[in-house]
Amino acid sequence: QSALTQPASLSASPGQSITISCTGTSSDFGTSDFVSWYQVHPDKAPQLLIYEGTERPSGISSRFSGSKSGNTASLTISGLQAEDEADYYCSSYTSNSAFIVFGGGTKLTVL
Amino acid sequence: QVQLKQWGTGLLKPSETLSLTCTVYGGSLSGYYWAWIRQPPGRGLEWIGDIDQGGSTNSNPSLKSRIIISVDSSKKQVILNLSFMTAADTALYYCARVLDNYSMDVWGKGTTVTVSS
Repeated sequence: QSALTQPASLSASPGQSITISCTGTSSDFGTSDFVSWYQVHPDKAPQLLIYEGTERPSGISSRFSGSKSGNTASLTISGLQAEDEADYYCSSYTSNSAFIVFGGGTKLTVL
Repeated sequence: QVQLKQWGTGLLKPSETLSLTCTVYGGSLSGYYWAWIRQPPGRGLEWIGDIDQGGSTNSNPSLKSRIIISVDSSKKQVILNLSFMTAADTALYYCARVLDNYSMDVWGKGTTVTVSS
C-alpha cells in the first residue's frame, strides 16, 4: 500500500488541462519540499518531470507544472497532447522513515 | 551525458538471490546516491534502496532484511542483491541517480526479473 494516494486513472481530450493529485499524511509528506513527479510510457524508463514540488528540469515542457498545498501535491498538464498518454507517479522523501515513497500511479488517457 | 547500463539475472527460482549491476557511464559516482526501484507487473513503482560512493545505504523497511546494496567505485558500479526471492519479487528493476532533492533524474532502461519454479 502506497503512502501517497493518487487517482488510479484520469482521462481528458487533446487541448484540455488536467490535474493529478497526490495526497499524503501530515506526519511526513505534509512538511516535505521534496516532491517529484515522473512520467512513465510503456516499455520506457521513467522520466523526471517535476522536482521540489514546482521545478522543471531542463528540457521538460512548460505544459507540465507542479504545486503543493498542505498534504496534497498536484501535477497539472495543460494543452494535452496524445503523447501525454502515460502513467504518472508522485514521490516524496519521508523524513520520518528516511526513505523515498511513491504514489500508486495515475493512468492518463488522452481521448 | 550520464547513462546507466544495467544487467543481471533475468530468471530465478524461489529462494534464490537476485544480483543486478548498474554501471555509470559519462559521469561520476561521487556526489550522488544511486537507487534501485522496481515495478511489478500491473503495479506501481517501489523504491528499494540506495547507496552513495562511500557505501552509505538506505533501504525500504519492507525489504531491508533481504537487501544488500554495494558499490564498486573503481568500476563505477552499483550492485543490488536481493535474497530469498519469491514470485512477489517478479518485477522490472531500474537503477537511477538520486539528486540532493531526492528526485531521480537519470534512469537505466530496466531489467525484467521473473521468479518461477
